[in-house]
Amino acid sequence: IAGITQAPTSQILAAGRRMTLRCTQDMRHNAMYWYRQDLGLGLRLIHYSNTAGTTGKGEVPDGYSVSRANTDDFPLTLASAVPSQTSVYFCASSDSAYGSANTGELFFGEGSRLTVL
Amino acid sequence: AQSVTQLGSHVSVSEGALVLLRCNYSSSVPPYLFWYVQYPNQGLQLLLKYTTGATLVKGINGFEAEFKKSETSFHLTKPSAHMSDAAEYFCAVSRAGGTSYGKLTFGQGTILTVHP
Repeated sequence: IAGITQAPTSQILAAGRRMTLRCTQDMRHNAMYWYRQDLGLGLRLIHYSNTAGTTGKGEVPDGYSVSRANTDDFPLTLASAVPSQTSVYFCASSDSAYGSANTGELFFGEGSRLTVL
Repeated sequence: AQSVTQLGSHVSVSEGALVLLRCNYSSSVPPYLFWYVQYPNQGLQLLLKYTTGATLVKGINGFEAEFKKSETSFHLTKPSAHMSDAAEYFCAVSRAGGTSYGKLTFGQGTILTVHP
């Protein structure tokens, strides 16, 4: 059972470089999310997608972009990385963003540790 | 707007002792509340959740939490700690309704240490 697969697991990146973090899920979940985890701050939502073809901004979207061309994939792109984007990035999914069937439970990948120098 | 405050960034207990991790939330609408656990170098996994109904909810690994609306709290407890409970625990809240379900607001996290 794969669930959510993130790649790379770890990356060191020079400031100013472009980087795409990949996220693929095999649960056919409609909604997907990107969070960043920083010590003492918990997890903060970067971007989300309620369904394929739609995206939205979370709490800390600046410097990041996402796309949702299909149900399974939700890549996160840093157009020009800066040191403050050093963090652990988690992709997550839930079965639906709409309706009472969804109770907000998220399924997480194992994270991508990014260091920007 | 909603927010979550976890009281204590580090909690240390002896094996077999009571575990109590504190969480207070603020929300302008009825909340859904969650506890997630993160083991080292892993993603988060759900321990338990409160949506509606019974205010005392039981989760995996012997954990439970009680939703107290009057106190805006959702504290996590376990009667007897085990070494395998050592991890970081996150309390989270989402709005009940609309398209807000999966957009959780997380607390800062509490690292639980269990010593022999």
